[in-house]
Amino acid sequence: DAKTTQPPSMDCAEGRAANLPCNHSTISGNEYVYWYRQIHSQGPQYIIHGLKNNETNEMASLIITEDRKSSTLILPHATLRDTAVYYCIVRLTGNQFYFGTGTSLTVIP
Amino acid sequence: SAVISQKPSRDICQRGTSLTIQCQVDSQVTMMFWYRQQPGQSLTLIATANQGSEATYESGFVIDKFPISRPNLTFSTLTVSNMSPEDSSIYLCSVDKLAGVPYEQYFGPGTRLTVT
Repeated sequence: DAKTTQPPSMDCAEGRAANLPCNHSTISGNEYVYWYRQIHSQGPQYIIHGLKNNETNEMASLIITEDRKSSTLILPHATLRDTAVYYCIVRLTGNQFYFGTGTSLTVIP
Repeated sequence: SAVISQKPSRDICQRGTSLTIQCQVDSQVTMMFWYRQQPGQSLTLIATANQGSEATYESGFVIDKFPISRPNLTFSTLTVSNMSPEDSSIYLCSVDKLAGVPYEQYFGPGTRLTVT
């Protein structure tokens, strides 16, 4: 079962930072936090993952709180192509991914 | 990364029939998974396809309805048996390239199934 809670929907103005929150209060010490997104009718696309430290790549930044009970995905300069459903997933390495309901992000021109 | 292809990309089938979906990966992978995404819903894990042994099914999914094969490290099939309109969904396969390493899981493009 999914172990994460996300708001069902969010809007963001084009060019602004999109901050997507995720609660995972029951995360265990060796579970990673992953973020994926799914653009309509396509397979989910990997964005980023982390364990304890904040992570950044060419797509986004991941901020994990010190107690690891929540995290935030940051898209620094949202574009219209970032409109998608974003999934936050906690996972033990080698185990299956269990998807929650995700956040539907709409980037507004 | 891993490139995953699925066949067919979409199909329209009559109730009572069966459809086999193929998943092909461009490199050997340790773990392969099958998901279902019903209209407007999130992804639900159906089963883990194990190479050389029977698939491991999640609660609510059974082998008689969703038989899975994995003959080697690059290929798997999912059959949707005795279909009903409730089986209309997108079916996706995904793969883990390396066991024991927290890499991302790669997803195929999906097979859109409509049962009439």
